[in-house]
Amino acid sequence: GQNIDQPTEMTATEGAIVQINCTYQTSGFNGLFWYQQHAGEAPTFLSYNVLDGLEEKGRFSSFLSRSKGYSYLLLKELQMKDSASYLCAVREWGNNRLAFGKGNQVVVIP
Amino acid sequence: EAQVTQNPRYLITVTGKKLTVTCSQNMNHEYMSWYRQDPGLGLRQIYYSMNVEVTDKGDVPEGYKVSRKEKRNFPLILESPSPNQTSLYFCASSLTPPTSGAYNEQFFGPGTRLTVL
Repeated sequence: GQNIDQPTEMTATEGAIVQINCTYQTSGFNGLFWYQQHAGEAPTFLSYNVLDGLEEKGRFSSFLSRSKGYSYLLLKELQMKDSASYLCAVREWGNNRLAFGKGNQVVVIP
Repeated sequence: EAQVTQNPRYLITVTGKKLTVTCSQNMNHEYMSWYRQDPGLGLRQIYYSMNVEVTDKGDVPEGYKVSRKEKRNFPLILESPSPNQTSLYFCASSLTPPTSGAYNEQFFGPGTRLTVL
């Protein structure tokens, strides 16, 4: 099974950069997803990593290190609408389930 | 528009009164899943389905049933709801199952907020 750990909450200023970390333990890593979830709404897909390195998508980038069991999501030029919970989810070989972390709440202040 | 729909969006009911939450997707996805989300616990999978007539338990299946008679629909059934099933429920679908190895994001429905008194 998977064990996924994310810090719970952070506050950042509009225009700043914030890094959200996710560590995981799994017996057969097969991909990591990042989702954004606004309060009371459905999660929406942000990024996917299966190989080591950085994936960049506009203001959002995601990094993966399989040897360290570690990923981070980098949010640049923070906007007020980025206030949300950010969930990482790990997929494991031979397992038909996607295991989600508890999420990291980011609060953007003016 | 490609989407996952759930009904109802909000429901208040009483202990023991059977209910069904419907889920439908129009993307011809094989894989469908139900999650519940509770404060401090994150998203936990209840049941999933690999395809029509193929369902299996997730991490927290007790007190729930599902069926997959058609590819597009995956209803969640609570035969005898209890207060500990008060939660926010999400249905999700993806083109292929996680084991396919392909990049396959899950698309989530808007959620159903259930309160059991």
